[in-house]
Amino acid sequence: GAVVSQHPSRVICKSGTSVKIECRSLDFQATTMFWYRQFPKQSLMLMATSNEGSKATYEQGVEKDKFLINHASLTLSTLTVTSAHPEDSSFYICSASDSHYEQYFGPGTRLTVT
Amino acid sequence: AQSVTQLDSQVPVFEEAPVELRCNYSSSVSVYLFWYVQYPNQGLQLLLKYLSGSTLVKGINGFEAEFNKSQTSFHLRKPSVHISDTAEYFCAVRASYDKVIFGPGTSLSVIP
Repeated sequence: GAVVSQHPSRVICKSGTSVKIECRSLDFQATTMFWYRQFPKQSLMLMATSNEGSKATYEQGVEKDKFLINHASLTLSTLTVTSAHPEDSSFYICSASDSHYEQYFGPGTRLTVT
Repeated sequence: AQSVTQLDSQVPVFEEAPVELRCNYSSSVSVYLFWYVQYPNQGLQLLLKYLSGSTLVKGINGFEAEFNKSQTSFHLRKPSVHISDTAEYFCAVRASYDKVIFGPGTSLSVIP
């Protein structure tokens, strides 16, 4: 089956620094990748949608200058949290799609900003 | 735009009892329907999905769901739950080539 990986699985960074999270589709080419954020005891909220070679489309209320998304190839998308603050601490999950109905989710990245 | 409602935020149930987790959706277009399970501090695991065809869908771990177009529902059921089924369950919808929209989740607690 299709596999999506994320790296790192956990990251702790100091307030004011930037952190990059990678999302890879391991055995398929993903035409579209999605980034979600999940706060404790809450559901997944879509942050942005990215297509390979195009600028990401951000959901309302998501700061595009703070959450930089790059989708440089059909197997890799990155999310960079710039100037991270404690309120950015969350569980970030990516998904990748190669069809009109299927999305495959990564295992998630736990970000803690101290 | 699509939206998903999960009517029960928490469902406690005794071990070996049946359970139903409710999900309703709204959409102006045809959608694909999914149920995911999330164990504490883990990612999502796909339980089952409805794409087309038979309205009764069987998934992993003994779960099944029934798509009801007239009631715009996709309720998840299991005839006999185990302690290991304690987790968060998310209903989700996706229109063709669109993003997945998640419901707020239902926390299932299985009581020994």
